[in-house]
Amino acid sequence: ETGVTQTPRHLVMGMTNKKSLKCEQHLGHNAMYWYKQSAKKPLELMFVYSLEERVENNSVPSRFSPECPNSSHLFLHLHTLQPEDSALYLCASSQDSRINEKLFFGSGTQLSVL
Amino acid sequence: DAKTTQPTSMDCAEGRAANLPCNHSTISGNEYVYWYRQIHSQGPQYIIHGLKNNETNEMASLIITEDRKSSTLILPHATLRDTAVYYCIVRPLTTDSWGKLQFGAGTQVVVTP
Repeated sequence: ETGVTQTPRHLVMGMTNKKSLKCEQHLGHNAMYWYKQSAKKPLELMFVYSLEERVENNSVPSRFSPECPNSSHLFLHLHTLQPEDSALYLCASSQDSRINEKLFFGSGTQLSVL
Repeated sequence: DAKTTQPTSMDCAEGRAANLPCNHSTISGNEYVYWYRQIHSQGPQYIIHGLKNNETNEMASLIITEDRKSSTLILPHATLRDTAVYYCIVRPLTTDSWGKLQFGAGTQVVVTP
């Protein structure tokens, strides 16, 4: 148990659906991240939030929309996705995103887009 | 950021020490060496990190060569639960960095009975 909880664990959606991924951390951290892990590809950083402010957006398509309502919760809203967006989406948190690279990851949401 | 080179895979006998090498010949003076691992169907897990000196914690030991161009992660007594992909990452700790851990392909470690 890492202290970072992601729901759902698995999600299947059509290209016209709208869904949301949820992440919650119980560690008192002030930075949260979304990573994408496609099959046979390295992890890719998508978004970084520090103190609820988005500080990094790695050229992610607008069909992925993050939301951080408070320092404990992070969402990834999905709409009109493509089959190539099928991947494992990982949430992580850390004490300070600038200087502390000790990230705590959740178990991820395995997303399949049909 | 400096890039790392790791073997694609390695096997280790249960109860023996597992020595995982990593080359980072272009590492800069302000870059740290981090190790994470990812067990199947889970997110990556932090193991250890260091700058110059060797480091040890409850999970592993990190040996960094004097020229810092390579390092070795040591799992002292491998168990079946240590089967995972192990990632070696070099990363500067600067105030303008935002969690950009560059995960490569890593080393698939299989611990056998």
